[in-house]
Amino acid sequence: SQKIEQNSEALNIQEGKTATLTCNYTNYSPAYLQWYRQDPGRGPVFLLLIRENEKEKRKERLKVTFDTTLKQSLFHITASQPADSATYLCALDPSRSGGSYIPTFGRGTSLIVHP
Amino acid sequence: EPEVTQTPSHQVTQMGQEVILRCVPISNHLYFYWYRQILGQKVEFLVSFYNNEISEKSEIFDDQFSVERPDGSNFTLKIRSTKLEDSAMYFCASRWSLETQYFGPGTRLLVL
Repeated sequence: SQKIEQNSEALNIQEGKTATLTCNYTNYSPAYLQWYRQDPGRGPVFLLLIRENEKEKRKERLKVTFDTTLKQSLFHITASQPADSATYLCALDPSRSGGSYIPTFGRGTSLIVHP
Repeated sequence: EPEVTQTPSHQVTQMGQEVILRCVPISNHLYFYWYRQILGQKVEFLVSFYNNEISEKSEIFDDQFSVERPDGSNFTLKIRSTKLEDSAMYFCASRWSLETQYFGPGTRLLVL
């Protein structure tokens, strides 16, 4: 069955360091992968999308990599700030070649940035 | 900046009652979605809607659920006979293309 895995343990880092979050998937051929931020009691907020033929995408302090061979995406926040503390969700849409366009989310990894 | 809105923000209901959750998607968007998130768990897809009909639905979206776009702006999710396990946050989302989704703030549903 299709599975998306994100680290269930919270990631604690010091302000100014780079946070790296991992998303692994199995039995998927995603057309693209998305990262969202979710604050407690709020809806997910879209951050970045990376397509299957892209290796890396950047937006300000954020960077996403996508390795379809390893079936893994890494999400980096450089120069992290306490305001970056939130849960980060990975989401996949299946490939156009098969399956339907049902976005599937991982459980998310909680990031805590300490001042 | 345009945003997805949802009402009510909170809803408490008795088991077996019907509830209607309302959403106003972003106006030029074409694809509409409902998701739910049980406390502490992942966001789960319920249903997608395109061109005035359901395009996909998950196993969760059984006969107790229905969706409607009664006019050009609103998008509703109806649960006919609520169960305790329907207690969750319900998120509406919309998108213009099959990429970026914009989520609403959610409706917290509590079934007693």
